[in-house]
Amino acid sequence: EDQVTQSPEALRLQEGESSSLNCSYTVSGLRGLFWYRQDPGKGPEFLFTLYSAGEEKEKERLKATLTKKESFLHITAPKPEDSATYLCAVQAYDYKLSFGAGTTVTVRA
Amino acid sequence: DVKVTQSSRYLVKRTGEKVFLECVQDMDHENMFWYRQDPGLGLRLIYFSYDVKMKEKGDIPEGYSVSREKKERFSLILESASTNQTSMYLCASSHGDSGYGYTFGSGTRLTVV
Repeated sequence: EDQVTQSPEALRLQEGESSSLNCSYTVSGLRGLFWYRQDPGKGPEFLFTLYSAGEEKEKERLKATLTKKESFLHITAPKPEDSATYLCAVQAYDYKLSFGAGTTVTVRA
Repeated sequence: DVKVTQSSRYLVKRTGEKVFLECVQDMDHENMFWYRQDPGLGLRLIYFSYDVKMKEKGDIPEGYSVSREKKERFSLILESASTNQTSMYLCASSHGDSGYGYTFGSGTRLTVV
């Protein structure tokens, strides 16, 4: 069974204080690893897809990296608008996504 | 702007009622999914469909059924609602080989009293 574990559950940051979120996974045949952002009361919004170990993707203050067992989402110099829940998911070859429980990030001004 | 639209944002139903949650996508996607999201548990897959009139059980199908009569519409049915089905329900769709994962709707917050 595919498993995705995210840590920490919650992260409180001061504006400008960089940090990283972790996503560790076990999957039978990784097709892709996905990062989503979810704001309260809304559906998840796609951020990145990573396909193979060593791959990196960037978008504004966010950078995602992938190894064979885990992925990191680095937030550089965060702003209050980066406050959200960040979800990690793995996709196996049957196209289903298995999600982690998420990390809730709060950035204080 | 492409969309996945869920018919209700908030819904309150009584125990034992039959509940229909509707989801429509305008992207001509083959695949559609229903998840529920609960604090600390993340998103859990209820049912999914790879094509019209096809359905597959996800990880937690008990107490639910689905219907997909048209490509763009995927309905989740709670045959007899119970209080433990109080949750946020999220519909999603994807193209068969999409590297963008899923496109999600805004969710339906269902409360069963």
